[in-house]
Amino acid sequence: TQLLEQSPQFLSIQEGENLTVYCNSSSVFSSLQWYRQEPGEGPVLLVTVVTGGEVKKLKRLTFQFGDARKDSSLHITAAQPGDTGLYLCAAKTSYDKVIFGPGTSLSVIP
Amino acid sequence: GAVVSQHPSWVICKSGTSVKIECRSLDFQATTMFWYRQFPKQSLMLMATSNEGSKATYEQGVEKDKFLINHASLTLSTLTVTSAHPEDSSFYICSASSGDEQFFGPGTRLTVL
Repeated sequence: TQLLEQSPQFLSIQEGENLTVYCNSSSVFSSLQWYRQEPGEGPVLLVTVVTGGEVKKLKRLTFQFGDARKDSSLHITAAQPGDTGLYLCAAKTSYDKVIFGPGTSLSVIP
Repeated sequence: GAVVSQHPSWVICKSGTSVKIECRSLDFQATTMFWYRQFPKQSLMLMATSNEGSKATYEQGVEKDKFLINHASLTLSTLTVTSAHPEDSSFYICSASSGDEQFFGPGTRLTVL
């Protein structure tokens, strides 16, 4: 059983479109993280959300942490081909272990 | 941010041989490092937690005798895949903790023929 669920699993959109990726759990977390990973590379941290209801913006990316701190969303405005990659949500569990959701594979077509 | 390196970046070996992968924190000391495995089109799965000077803690289903972890110093952890088989072919990624943040290495692609 996955501690973190993500949807959609795959997403293919045209350049310029908007999209939202979701991360859900039945557990409450003190924080959630979003990573982006390109093929053959390690994941790169995009943002950490800590406070329930928190919204963080990173250029065209908007991250939201649910009020109950069980879910999070990532919204990309006017997607570009450079946004293509695997988007992973992650959370810390006991002993500072970071566990990952199954990921959303995004493909932005020029 | 802090930098974590892995060596080698890719390795091809014959079935039955052992392969050692190194994970180094370059500009900070890490008392804890983590090893992940990632199969194609899947997410990262935590294999084990490596603690400096003590035995590693393995996740359920990960064979500790097959995946030997040594964390001899505060900047180096090694993962040895013993008697590798084709099903061990995967992308192995390490991470190191610095305070509240974790930094990930670039990964090592292992292909077992």
